[in-house]
Amino acid sequence: EDKVVQSPLSLVVHEGDTVTLNCSYEVTNFRSLLWYKQEKKAPTFLFMLTSSGIEKKSGRLSSILDKKELFSILNITATQTGDSAIYLCAVVGGSSNTGKLIFGQGTTLQVKP
Amino acid sequence: DAGITQSPRYKITETGRQVTLMCHQTWSHSYMFWYRQDLGHGLRLIYYSAAADITDKGEVPDGYVVSRSKTENFPLTLESATRSQTSVYFCASSRGGGSYNEQFFGPGTRLTVL
Repeated sequence: EDKVVQSPLSLVVHEGDTVTLNCSYEVTNFRSLLWYKQEKKAPTFLFMLTSSGIEKKSGRLSSILDKKELFSILNITATQTGDSAIYLCAVVGGSSNTGKLIFGQGTTLQVKP
Repeated sequence: DAGITQSPRYKITETGRQVTLMCHQTWSHSYMFWYRQDLGHGLRLIYYSAAADITDKGEVPDGYVVSRSKTENFPLTLESATRSQTSVYFCASSRGGGSYNEQFFGPGTRLTVL
């Protein structure tokens, strides 16, 4: 059975801290891995990763994929209270090329002032 | 440019009633998806559609029905609502179904079944 597991499930940090969120997966026919940020509304897209070892960056956020060890990490440096959200990892894969996303449970990040 | 919209945003219904959640997108995306989000389970795929008149089951399809007569609309119907269907429902769309097409999400519908 295809699965995506995120850790930790929740995290509380203070502003200025650096955090690392983990996503491991066991998915047949892996095609890509996506990170989303969800505040009190719909998930919004952060990154899509398809190749190992190539870091994607957007401001204080960065992510990298390891297709050999089947995991990805999302780093957030110099955290701010606006980073408080649920971070979702999802993998595109499975037996048919339908773009279905298999989601992890999410990591709830709280950044305290 | 409205993007992807869902209606209603909030709905309270009773066990056994039929409920339809609407999803509309203005991008002419081929693929559309319905997810439910519950604490501890993340987002789970209910149904998806690759094009008008083409639909397929996702991970948790039981108790739900979908149709897609037009590319822009993808309604989700709960034929006889149960308390276990209390959840937040998200509709999403993507340009294609392959590996490289990110999904865009609607604002969600919070459904409570009493």
